[in-house]
Amino acid sequence: EAGVAQSPRYKIIEKRQSVAFWCNPISGHATLYWYQQILGQGPKLLIQFQNNGVVDDSQLPKDRFSAERLKGVDSTLKIQPAKLEDSAVYLCASSPWAGNTEAFFGQGTRLTVV
Amino acid sequence: EDQVTQSPEALRLQEGESSSLNCSYTVSGLRGLFWYRQDPGKGPEFLFTLYSAGEEKEKERLKATLTKKESFLHITAPKPEDSATYLCAVDGTGDMRFGAGTRLTVKP
Repeated sequence: EAGVAQSPRYKIIEKRQSVAFWCNPISGHATLYWYQQILGQGPKLLIQFQNNGVVDDSQLPKDRFSAERLKGVDSTLKIQPAKLEDSAVYLCASSPWAGNTEAFFGQGTRLTVV
Repeated sequence: EDQVTQSPEALRLQEGESSSLNCSYTVSGLRGLFWYRQDPGKGPEFLFTLYSAGEEKEKERLKATLTKKESFLHITAPKPEDSATYLCAVDGTGDMRFGAGTRLTVKP
């Protein structure tokens, strides 16, 4: 079974630029999560989708971050404009179950903002 | 606010030297506690889910236990391939909240 696919693996941008990350979850998984993991910390949930609807985006900085899940499958996370403190690994995860359950994570996108 | 604290931050063991990792939590209503393993440059990999105090789960050299205030991940006779960061996460009244992890190194 193919895992969660994310791209790109690495991205370096200057502050105030925009960036987008892409995620393809495991086939058939209804729930999709985006997490931000800053070096030395645990993952922090940014947004959770159930099919193509948003379940929880309470910790998403909506003035600069946006996310969408097209047709309940692939998802993109965008940052515009980026700040230095956005440097982190952005992890996508999916689950076949609703709610907060065990999740299957992708390898992540490492973003460096300079 | 839900809180998750893991200790120690880092642990170095000799191969075969058993030990335990701690995850202390403060939540209004625990719906589930999760353990994950994370290797460098990779996403977390699910290990266990525990739902109620007294529950135990085992997988190879790992055993997870749960009380009303904390969870332990016991590792018996570890091998170098067990070296990784171990994360716990709690599902309480809010979203899933992760601890900062324990970085485990097992020397041959």
